Amino acid sequence: EPEVTQTPSHQVTQMGQEVILRCVPISNHLYFYWYRQILGQKVEFLVSFYNNEISEKSEIFDDQFSVERPDGSNFTLKIRSTKLEDSAMYFCASTWGNTEAFFGQGTRLTVV
Amino acid sequence: RKEVEQDPGPFNVPEGATVAFNCTYSNSASQSFFWYRQDCRKEPKLLMSVYSSGNEDGRFTAQLNRASQYISLLIRDSKLSDSATYLCVVTLSGTYKYIFGTGTRLKVLA
Repeated sequence: EPEVTQTPSHQVTQMGQEVILRCVPISNHLYFYWYRQILGQKVEFLVSFYNNEISEKSEIFDDQFSVERPDGSNFTLKIRSTKLEDSAMYFCASTWGNTEAFFGQGTRLTVV
Repeated sequence: RKEVEQDPGPFNVPEGATVAFNCTYSNSASQSFFWYRQDCRKEPKLLMSVYSSGNEDGRFTAQLNRASQYISLLIRDSKLSDSATYLCVVTLSGTYKYIFGTGTRLKVLA
């Protein structure tokens, strides 16, 4: 069964450092997403990506965040200068269209 | 008002019980509706899509009431393995953003 894969599963970084979270969406999907979930809180939308550009982003997705699809398979989330409050689980998701979204297993980011 | 609202629970039920969760959404332009299941520190996994006519998958039944803007999930004959957080997810017409509720925690007790 096709799945969304994310790497790394856990990343520890120092405050102020840049991190790149990687995702390989399901191959024939068209829409790609990043979500985050702070421990004990709800899953929050960060950004959606379609046709090689951002289609929508939330207030959380400020200038410190960027996304890229550098080739036909990878989809990355970069946080330029991490803050303590960026510590969360980050989920990548993909979908064909307005159907169910499939989520990767997540990257747990810990900023120290 | 929150976009998608759920009772956080927890709902503690004995094995074999029937349990129902409700979810309300604020935007009448909401288009697609889903129930996801999330185990502790894991990714959300699709449980079922919710259709206007209602749908059933084994022990799980989902209903949509567009007039009242709520979605329900019924679990019959609860199993220990049903213990998880159940997430109500909605998309809006004209956008492909999936909006999550806070989730309802279910604990099935032996």
